[in-house]
This record gives sequence, C-alpha cells and structure tokens, in this order.
Amino acid sequence: GENVEQHPSTLSVQEGDSAVIKCTYSDSASNYFPWYKQELGKRPQLIIDIRSNVGEKKDQRIAVTLNKTAKHFSLHITETQPEDSAVYFCAARGYSTLTFGKGTMLLVSP
Amino acid sequence: GAGVSQSPSNKVTEKGKDVELRCDPISGHTALYWYRQSLGQGLEFLIYFQGNSAPDKSGLPSDRFSAERTGGSVSTLTIQRTQQEDSAVYLCASSAFRGGLFFGEGSRLTVL
Repeated sequence: GENVEQHPSTLSVQEGDSAVIKCTYSDSASNYFPWYKQELGKRPQLIIDIRSNVGEKKDQRIAVTLNKTAKHFSLHITETQPEDSAVYFCAARGYSTLTFGKGTMLLVSP
Repeated sequence: GAGVSQSPSNKVTEKGKDVELRCDPISGHTALYWYRQSLGQGLEFLIYFQGNSAPDKSGLPSDRFSAERTGGSVSTLTIQRTQQEDSAVYLCASSAFRGGLFFGEGSRLTVL
C-alpha cells in the first residue's frame, strides 16, 4: 500500500517568515495530493490540493508543488501569521484510500 | 446536509461494552471514510466505502471492529468488547468521486 513520509514533525517560524513542509510518497499510481490543516480540538480541513497533471498550484499565501518523478510534494506558506499555527497533514491517493502523513506542527510566533 | 455529521460527539463507556458510532455524510457523496486519531497523533485509516461496499477495510485493527453503510448514505462503526486502547477520536469523512475529503467533528470515545 501507499506510504507517506512527512517532514519536519515540528516547525517554528517568526511571523512574516515562510514555512515549507515536505512529503514523499511510495505508490507511483497516486494522483491526488491534498493538504489539511487541523487546529487544536478541531476537525482537519482541506486547504489546498493538487492532481498529478499539475506541477504547482497557488491560493493566496499558500502554494503546493508536485514532482512526480521524485515522488515528492511540498506545501509553502508565505508571510506566515499566528493564525497559521496548527498541525498540517499531507496525503496521497491512488485508486481508493487516502493515506496521510504523520503531520507537522507549525508554530508561528508574533 | 450541509456537512458531515457524527454522533455521539462524546462517548464514555466501560471496558468490555459495545459501542456504535454514526456518520451521516454530505448528501451526494459516494465515498465515505473512517479514521482514528489518538491524542496528539496522526490520522489512522480504518475503512473506506464506495457506495455500500467496502473495497478497503485493511485498517480495521481487529475483528472487534466492524462497519456498515446502508442506502449509500449513513454509516455505523461498531466496536465490540471495547478496550482502553480503543480510546481515541473517531473521524468520518466523505467525498464526491475522487474529490477531496470533508471531515466531521468526530466522536471522542473514552473507555474506562
């Protein structure tokens, strides 16, 4: 089955800095790569996703890049704000199951 | 409905009792997933439904866990003879075919 590795497990940045979270996946058949944000005590929420026919996608301060050859994808957050503090999960899906990485706790200090 | 609805939101039970957790997905979503999240941990896949069938149930931890989905809509996750290690938040999510997952608020299970 699919295996998704996510790094780093924790990331501390100053407000205004950029943050990058990286994931690798094992199944070359995977073709859908979403990112979720989970605030403390809340449900995971989809913030951005990318499909295998696209190399990069942006939505305001958030961008995701995908390298299918290397089987890795990354989340980029620019101009970080304290409200970006949360746990972020990457995921990959081939034919059925969505497999999640173990999560990155992002802490943005004012 | 407007979102994925789960019940109960909180369940405290004694070791050895059976529990049922319910998920009502977003109307029209054909795929339904159950995940488990222990405190401070990641999302552990349990089972995936497409319509009423479960093509992937590889994540169910033991035969004490079972799930069904009826009418292509509501799903029930049943845990028999609960153990303390079953304590976790059980998250349900639904999606349109090959779309993004939308999660419910979860059912927090505490086994004493």
